[in-house]
Amino acid sequence: AQTVTQSQPEMSVQEAETVTLSCTYDTSESDYYLFWYKQPPSRQMILVIRQEAYKQQNATENRFSVNFQKAAKSFSLKISDSQLGDAAMYFCAYRSAMRGGADGLTFGKGTHLIIQP
Amino acid sequence: DGGITQSPKYLFRKEGQNVTLSCEQNLNHDAMYWYRQDPGQGLRLIYYSQIVNDFQKGDIAEGYSVSREKKESFPLTVTSAQKNPTAFYLCATETGVGNQPQHFGDGTRLSIL
Repeated sequence: AQTVTQSQPEMSVQEAETVTLSCTYDTSESDYYLFWYKQPPSRQMILVIRQEAYKQQNATENRFSVNFQKAAKSFSLKISDSQLGDAAMYFCAYRSAMRGGADGLTFGKGTHLIIQP
Repeated sequence: DGGITQSPKYLFRKEGQNVTLSCEQNLNHDAMYWYRQDPGQGLRLIYYSQIVNDFQKGDIAEGYSVSREKKESFPLTVTSAQKNPTAFYLCATETGVGNQPQHFGDGTRLSIL
């Protein structure tokens, strides 16, 4: 079974600064997908960014980028120019590519990101 | 609007009672999922369904049941066998294609009376 570990229960960053959230995972599979989801106080789950394991290039979405290290099984999220609206819980998630990836996501326990004005 | 509707937003259960959480989608997605979220635990998979009339247990299925009679609907019943049902429940859907992300409903908060 796959596991996802987020070692930082809470992180704090000044507005406009850059912060990196850590995620490691354990799998014996070679083909899979990785995701970062954001959950603001409204508790809605919002996709931030995704990465296919077969792609070497790190995914980027505006101020959000990842550092995907397949050999190290690491998938960190970098948020540049942090904004107050970025304050939320952030979850790293893994999905197997086997059986079309239809077996659901495996989530880490989350990192609570605080933005200091 | 296309989306996922979970109802009710808040639900209270008495001891020994079964309760059903509703999840309806009009995204025409084949796959549907139920997750449970506890503080400090992240989301854990309860049940999932890839097609109508078929579903599989997830990691924490004990004390729960589901049905998938229609593509649009995937209700979750929390039975009296679930001794610690207090949690936030999230329904999700996806197309079942490759790297497409899951889409989530707004959740149901279940508490014990």
